[in-house]
Amino acid sequence: DSGVTQTPKHLITATGQRVTLRCSPRSGDLSVYWYQQSLDQGLQFLIHYYNGEERAKGNILERFSAQQFPDLHSELNLSSLELGDSALYFCASSAQTGGKAFFGQGTRLTVV
Amino acid sequence: AQTVTQSQPEMSVQEAETVTLSCTYDTSESDYYLFWYKQPPSRQMILVIRQEAYKQQNATENRFSVNFQKAAKSFSLKISDSQLGDAAMYFCAYRGFTSGTYKYIFGTGTRLKVLA
Repeated sequence: DSGVTQTPKHLITATGQRVTLRCSPRSGDLSVYWYQQSLDQGLQFLIHYYNGEERAKGNILERFSAQQFPDLHSELNLSSLELGDSALYFCASSAQTGGKAFFGQGTRLTVV
Repeated sequence: AQTVTQSQPEMSVQEAETVTLSCTYDTSESDYYLFWYKQPPSRQMILVIRQEAYKQQNATENRFSVNFQKAAKSFSLKISDSQLGDAAMYFCAYRGFTSGTYKYIFGTGTRLKVLA
């Protein structure tokens, strides 16, 4: 158990819908990272938050947004979902930017 | 439960030399995949190499090769002729398939520094 909790584990939704993925980092970790993995591709970096502030943005679509709350948990919002958004979404946390990272088990999103 | 352990938080290597990053894992499954990912400052996770557990032959990709010891549950990454561009965080990962779904477990990473 990495200490990073992602909910839900699985999500099935229809095209055009909006979903919210949640990530609770390890206790004390200020950095939260979101990644997307489609099929057997490498993990695509989406966004990084540090102590509530956005620190870096990767290949995140405009339909996607994220935030980190005062209690340090983070949410990734995906809207106007398309079939191609079906993927595994990982969250990771670290105490400092670039430090040892702990990954959650991922949320599997299926868009039908 | 499956676990992946990278016991080296940081490693250094001289340019053009060889370095080995360690990874051990624990699982009761017989069929699984193991991966090494490279994470440069861009935060993108780049797949370096992949090993299927049922294959005895160690995977190689150019300067990158693995030493896969299934019985010992060890999966180390060897980087030959190290280059400055190899400097990054390296993550070892395990992928199993249970109850109709994939399960990914990541190690905590090893930061590799390449010295000129």
